[in-house]
Amino acid sequence: LAKTTQPISMDSYEGQEVNITCSHNNIATNDYITWYQQFPSQGPRFIIQGYKTKVTNEVASLFIPADRKSSTLSLPRVSLSDTAVYYCLVGDGNTGGFKTIFGAGTRLFVKA
Amino acid sequence: NAGVTQTPKFQVLKTGQSMTLQCAQDMNHNSMYWYRQDPGMGLRLIYYSASEGTTDKGEVPNGYNVSRLNKREFSLRLESAAPSQTSVYFCASRNTGTSNEKLFFGSGTQLSVL
Repeated sequence: LAKTTQPISMDSYEGQEVNITCSHNNIATNDYITWYQQFPSQGPRFIIQGYKTKVTNEVASLFIPADRKSSTLSLPRVSLSDTAVYYCLVGDGNTGGFKTIFGAGTRLFVKA
Repeated sequence: NAGVTQTPKFQVLKTGQSMTLQCAQDMNHNSMYWYRQDPGMGLRLIYYSASEGTTDKGEVPNGYNVSRLNKREFSLRLESAAPSQTSVYFCASRNTGTSNEKLFFGSGTQLSVL
């Protein structure tokens, strides 16, 4: 299984841009990189996915370098409501990818 | 559209009791998953069902059984609950099952075993 490494926690202030980097050195050729967000007492929800270069949606941007061994989730101008755990996942392209494993995630705490 | 529905939302059990957590999805997804999340920790995969009629072990299957009743429903059973199984349980589903597809999660079942 492709594994990911991301910081355990991060602090930020309202209005700042937050960048969370994820390492995935063993990513397979056909794997996408997917990020989920989890608020307290809720299940995770999908926020963004990409394969290479840059992807942007209404919530976040995802930057992926050419070698795809890492990726950076960028949250522009965070607010208190962005306090959550963020999980970086890569697919298991070698075995069909059904067995989806979550890591510990990054706990983002946004302060006023 | 309800998405993924889990019942019950809360449950308290005594050690040794049994119970079944129910999960149903209305998105016509093929793959379904059960995760547990202990306080302050990430999600751990218990069992998954890649398609109707199949189930496979995840990271932490001991003490649990599952049944993929039909395409919509995937239940998780604790035969003899233990305090170590106190956790929040999440059910999830995705369309065809490949990991490049996004998962849709239910709101969770908070289980306490005394």
